[in-house]
Amino acid sequence: DAGITQSPRHKVTETGTPVTLRCHQTENHRYMYWYRQDPGHGLRLIHYSYGVKDTDKGEVSDGYSVSRSKTEDFLLTLESATSSQTSVYFCAISGIPGQGAEQPQHFGDGTRLSIL
Amino acid sequence: DQQVKQNSPSLSVQEGRISILNCDYTNSMFDYFLWYKKYPAEGPTFLISISSIKDKNEDGRFTVFLNKSAKHLSLHIVPSQPGDSAVYFCAAIPTRQGAQKLVFGQGTRLTINP
Repeated sequence: DAGITQSPRHKVTETGTPVTLRCHQTENHRYMYWYRQDPGHGLRLIHYSYGVKDTDKGEVSDGYSVSRSKTEDFLLTLESATSSQTSVYFCAISGIPGQGAEQPQHFGDGTRLSIL
Repeated sequence: DQQVKQNSPSLSVQEGRISILNCDYTNSMFDYFLWYKKYPAEGPTFLISISSIKDKNEDGRFTVFLNKSAKHLSLHIVPSQPGDSAVYFCAAIPTRQGAQKLVFGQGTRLTINP
């Protein structure tokens, strides 16, 4: 929806392995976000980006890093995955050039990540 | 600490009746509130929003009410339809300017019974 593609959609991996999730947008939005969804917590912000090579931490950033080398791609990396990082990860975008700041975020369909 | 709380994990409503979903917040700096709807295996989709300068916003069957003094907002759906069965999240941000660092509640699963 809204030109957001997350890959992979599902992944199972082992504790201690590195994992990279990709978010690709075709809408030229300025801002991109990574959230995780867990039972009892709703969605929580991990990291966000406000431009190419410009990123900042969210509420639950420990154990995660991000990179944005192009406007359209925002990568989330788990350097050494742990079982507590088993979750559903959502990418979101906002900030259409030339439009007001009131436009709400649009979300991708998520990546279900299981760490055994 | 949960700055945005949805205290009802689930709600069951008869088709055609009104659904009322509630949300409380603790941070008085929140300036803008949103409701998202989520179906299984899909991402959240934006439903309706309200600025802190208003107390009501209506869009078709959906109305959001904001009570700033009580730090409480509610989403009314009338009449409720089977397609409304989903998980509803309320969210809040201090400002719409710049990056929107949404703070979400835990979600309420709404089931509409025929």
